[in-house]
Amino acid sequence: ETGVTQTPRHLVMGMTNKKSLKCEQHLGHNAMYWYKQSAKKPLELMFVYNFKEQTENNSVPSRFSPECPNSSHLFLHLHTLQPEDSALYLCASSQERPGGLGDTQYFGPGTRLTVL
Amino acid sequence: QKEVEQNSGPLSVPEGAIASLNCTYSDRGSQSFFWYRQYSGKSPELIMFIYSNGDKEDGRFTAQLNKASQYVSLLIRDSQPSDSATYLCAVRRGQNFVFGPGTRLSVLP
Repeated sequence: ETGVTQTPRHLVMGMTNKKSLKCEQHLGHNAMYWYKQSAKKPLELMFVYNFKEQTENNSVPSRFSPECPNSSHLFLHLHTLQPEDSALYLCASSQERPGGLGDTQYFGPGTRLTVL
Repeated sequence: QKEVEQNSGPLSVPEGAIASLNCTYSDRGSQSFFWYRQYSGKSPELIMFIYSNGDKEDGRFTAQLNKASQYVSLLIRDSQPSDSATYLCAVRRGQNFVFGPGTRLSVLP
């Protein structure tokens, strides 16, 4: 266990559904991330939150909507997804410090999403 | 050119041998470099990080960084079947982490 939890672990949804993924970190970190991992593709960084402020949004379609109410919780709201959005969605957290070159990310177990 | 490149493998080594995993990156502004291990169906777990040129050792693992050549490697000594996994190289610049596609390692008993 890394101290980062994600729920649900598995999710099947239709293209017209609305669902949310939840991530919680118990490490006291100040930054949280959403990644997408598709088969045969590298991990793709989707969103970064630092001190609850979104600092990165790597050209992610608007059908994915992140929310970070505090430094311990991160959500990914999903609506009108496409079958190609089926993937493993990973949450990670890190403690960002000035000049902290070794600040690393700790990953949650992921949510396996299937869009029908 | 892909930002972070790795040989996809599979790389097969006999038990007890040294496994050598390589990674190249394109962004010269990259500041730190990470190796993660990912078992099938699991999330990535950190093995080690390095940000200074040279070698860094941690138990059976040694990371090597050459910023001039934009090259980072991971050596695994005395490879065990439990080391069989996909190894991900990650490169960090600021708060942006870029991952390579991973190299699948198979350690044969």
